[in-house]
Amino acid sequence: GENVEQHPSTLSVQEGDSAVIKCTYSDSASNYFPWYKQELGKRPQLIIDIRSNVGEKKDQRIAVTLNKTAKHFSLHITETQPEDSAVYFCAASLYNFNKFYFGSGTKLNVKP
Amino acid sequence: DAGITQSPRHKVTETGTPVTLRCHQTENHRYMYWYRQDPGHGLRLIHYSYGVKDTDKGEVSDGYSVSRSKTEDFLLTLESATSSQTSVYFCAITASGRGDEQYFGPGTRLTVT
Repeated sequence: GENVEQHPSTLSVQEGDSAVIKCTYSDSASNYFPWYKQELGKRPQLIIDIRSNVGEKKDQRIAVTLNKTAKHFSLHITETQPEDSAVYFCAASLYNFNKFYFGSGTKLNVKP
Repeated sequence: DAGITQSPRHKVTETGTPVTLRCHQTENHRYMYWYRQDPGHGLRLIHYSYGVKDTDKGEVSDGYSVSRSKTEDFLLTLESATSSQTSVYFCAITASGRGDEQYFGPGTRLTVT
């Protein structure tokens, strides 16, 4: 089955700096890659996703890039704010099979 | 929140007792999932369902069973709870008509003593 690895496990940045979280996947057939944000005690929330026919996608301060050849994808957060502090999870899925494989999470701390 | 609720939200039980967690959705989604979340492991799939009475195992299914007799309800049962099953359990759906987007319920915190 699919194996998703996520790095780093913790990340601390100063407010206003950028943050990058990276994930690799093993199954070249995977073609859908969502990112989730989970605040303490809350459910994971979908924040952005990318499909394998696209190399980059942006939504305001967040962006995701995908390199299919290298089988890795990354989450970029610019101009970080304290409210960005949370645990972020990447995932990989094969469209129409609807099974998701998650990375182990990155705890992002944005220092004011 | 894709109309997903979970019950109970918190439960403490003793080793060896049976436990059933309920996931309820109101928007007629076909796919439903049960995950457990433990520190350092992210979200791990226990079982999922692709329709009424259609279920399949995930990566950590040992010790768990599921049932789906109605579209809106997906039940997770621990036949004989063990301390290793202490975890936070999340139900999720894949939104019909919105591709692969997956949305989570609020979670159930289960403690097995």
